[in-house]
Order: sequence, then structure tokens, then C-alpha cells
Amino acid sequence: QQKVQQSPESLSVPEGGMASLNCTSSDRNFQYFWWYRQHSGEGPKALMSIFSDGDKKEGRFTAHLNKASLHVSLHIRDSQPSDSALYFCAASGPTEGADRLTFGKGTQLIIQP
Amino acid sequence: EAGVTQSPRYAVLQEGQAVSFWCDPISGHDTLYWYQQPRDQGPQLLVYFRDEAVIDNSQLPSDRFSAVRPKGTNSTLKIQSAKQGDTATYLCASRTGSERLFFGHGTKLSVL
Repeated sequence: QQKVQQSPESLSVPEGGMASLNCTSSDRNFQYFWWYRQHSGEGPKALMSIFSDGDKKEGRFTAHLNKASLHVSLHIRDSQPSDSALYFCAASGPTEGADRLTFGKGTQLIIQP
Repeated sequence: EAGVTQSPRYAVLQEGQAVSFWCDPISGHDTLYWYQQPRDQGPQLLVYFRDEAVIDNSQLPSDRFSAVRPKGTNSTLKIQSAKQGDTATYLCASRTGSERLFFGHGTKLSVL
């Protein structure tokens, strides 16, 4: 079973709109969550981390974590064509070591001009 | 700041051939990771090092895969006798402490 599950698999949003991506963990040991973004032909790049319940905002990006339900989301406001990419949720926890990140399968985000 | 450098960018092999991937992490990063990313999937951890020591290689698929980081800087991942199922992008990443991972561009491997 995939320990980190992402939805939707694919998402199309008009330019200037809000994109919402979801991630759920099946492993209650996972406590630390990251969002990474990968443009075609490149390696993933970290967007932001979230380790505490609640919201964390960085520019146009807002992450939300609910540890009780093991759910984390990423919201992108004022979406730009350059936001079109594959987005990964990644998690780690004390039992596997904070060193070891487990990635989901990703959400393909398409921003329509 | 220089990023993580990987080579080659692409590799095409026949089944049974061997291939090596090379990674130069960001200077000062003590932890180095190798991930396998099949098409349309997320990165899957193969092995990681802290300095020259292997911390976890339990996810290396089989005896056909090996990885070394002899001086705690550069690293090499080798596949002996490649199979079609090894077709994927191989990503190297590095970090220090609990900071974010920095990934290289990856090596895209096709095994025919």
C-alpha cells in the first residue's frame, strides 16, 4: 500500500485561479511533510515544509496540516503558467528517521492561459 | 551556489549491459541520496549515505545495484546486467541536517 497518497492525479486550473492539492498518509508515524515541485526534464525542487498543525503561508503558496487525520494540502493562489508541473507530497517520521522521505505519486497541475 | 550535478543526462542500454551514474552533491552536504523515479511516479529511495557510510540500502532492488561514496563527497550508482524494468530516471539528492533535499537533474535510463 502506498504510504503517501495524493489526489487528484491531474488538475487543470485557469490562469489566476486557485489550485488545491491533497495528500494523505496511511502511516501515523509520519509527522513531517514537504511539498516538492518538478518541471519536465528537471529534478524536484522543495516548495515548503510543514511540521505543525494549521496553516503555513509562503507567498502564493499555503500548506495546511491536520495531524489527527494525517492530511496535508497545498493551495496555490493566483496560479501562473509557470506553476504547471508535477507536485509531490513527501513525508518522514521518527521511526524511519527524519532523513528518509517517502514520496507520493504526484499531482500533475496544468495552468490554462 | 552550485547545485547537485549528475552525469550522464541520458543512457540507453541493451538488457544485460552495465551502467554507472555519477553524482557530485552540494559542497558541505553530508547526506546523499539516490532515488529511482519510474515514469509518472514519485521518487523512490534506493540508498542513502551520511558522509561515506551507508545508512540505508535496504531498498536497492537486488545484487545488480550497488552504490558507493568512498570519500564522503561524490557518489556512484552502478547497475550490472540491466533489465527493462530498470528503465527510469535516477535522481541524486543531497542535504545537510534536516534541511530540504536538493535534487540534481537526474539520469534518464532506457533499457531496450
